[in-house]
Amino acid sequence: SAVISQKPSRDICQRGTSLTIQCQVDSQVTMMFWYRQQPGQSLTLIATANQGSEATYESGFVIDKFPISRPNLTFSTLTVSNMSPEDSSIYLCSVEASGLQETQYFGPGTRLLVL
Amino acid sequence: AQSVAQPEDQVNVAEGNPLTVKCTYSVSGNPYLFWYVQYPNRGLQFLLKYITGDNLVKGSYGFEAEFNKSQTSFHLKKPSALVSDSALYFCAVITSGTYKYIFGTGTRLKVLA
Repeated sequence: SAVISQKPSRDICQRGTSLTIQCQVDSQVTMMFWYRQQPGQSLTLIATANQGSEATYESGFVIDKFPISRPNLTFSTLTVSNMSPEDSSIYLCSVEASGLQETQYFGPGTRLLVL
Repeated sequence: AQSVAQPEDQVNVAEGNPLTVKCTYSVSGNPYLFWYVQYPNRGLQFLLKYITGDNLVKGSYGFEAEFNKSQTSFHLKKPSALVSDSALYFCAVITSGTYKYIFGTGTRLKVLA
């Protein structure tokens, strides 16, 4: 299985600021995904990031709020912009498993608290 | 609309007893079904999946799940629970040809010593 790391693992931020979350994979992958897990809730897909193309955002998520970069096949970033307390969540990246149809592997997550 | 339901927020079971964590789904087309586990302060770990074939799927850590098409269910089971199985369990579904997971709300499993 792929080894996925995320930085930072957690952060406390002031409202109105922005935070960039990094996701690094130990192998080349085509598809990377960003999810949000709000406190006590399930995971919601924010966007899909393919290398060399613009990220595809799900309903309710926009590029101005959650800009994503995918500069190569092992790395992606998600920025949470102009944060408010409602953005306090766990943000997880995942990758499509090579050779395992439709299976995704998840990173450890970034815990964000916005004050 | 596609959806996944995990009707129990929490399941308590004594160590050594069998456990079941329930999941039902609603999709158009053939479902691909997954179970993931989330330990405290960690990401989701893949447990098992059903794509096609045998309705009983075996996965990691002694877990198994049974796909029941008529009841649209995919319950997670383990014959003998361990305290270390205590965690948050998520059921997820996608339909063939897509990659978008629809997650259930999660079930917290507590195994009591």
